[in-house]
Amino acid sequence: DAGVTQSPTHLIKTRGQQVTLRCSPISGHKSVSWYQQVLGQGPQFIFQYYEKEERGRGNFPDRFSARQFPNYSSELNVNALLLGDSALYLCASSTDSYNYGYTFGSGTRLTVV
Amino acid sequence: AQSVAQPEDQVNVAEGNPLTVKCTYSVSGNPYLFWYVQYPNRGLQFLLKYITGDNLVKGSYGFEAEFNKSQTSFHLKKPSALVSDSALYFCAVRDSGTYKYIFGTGTRLKVLA
Repeated sequence: DAGVTQSPTHLIKTRGQQVTLRCSPISGHKSVSWYQQVLGQGPQFIFQYYEKEERGRGNFPDRFSARQFPNYSSELNVNALLLGDSALYLCASSTDSYNYGYTFGSGTRLTVV
Repeated sequence: AQSVAQPEDQVNVAEGNPLTVKCTYSVSGNPYLFWYVQYPNRGLQFLLKYITGDNLVKGSYGFEAEFNKSQTSFHLKKPSALVSDSALYFCAVRDSGTYKYIFGTGTRLKVLA
């Protein structure tokens, strides 16, 4: 079985631009979560979706948004990019809404210049 | 607020020796605790979790963790370290009443041949 897949793997954007990151969960997993990992730090929670509904949101500005599609894949959108948005963005999927153990993708490395 | 602390930025251990990576937590209610490992340029891999039950939890790759309620600790252990165990290790707690995980700052484990 394929694991959690994220695309693209690397991305370079200019300040002020918009970016969309994509995630496909493991087959059968209905919960998808997004985390931001800045270099040298632990991952920070951005969003969690379960059955296409937003179930949780972290302390991120409204420039960050996400959605989950009927096939349970998900997109994370970031508008008006800032240099500080440069990070590894991780998607994780789980079989249930309580996330008793995520499976993470390899992440998308976003660099904002 | 829930939190986890990983007091050591780096742990060095000789191959074949036992290893311990420390984690302490602060939660209200029952703790849901996790350990993840991250290899360079990769996402996080799930090692083990404590939800309820036995205080000694066995996980992947020979790792185990001991839940100690009185000391609010959840230390990761392995009886005999391998060079291939060298990686970044994260402790996490599920934030009760929400769907997010709170990660520690990570501990870099270096196993020396």
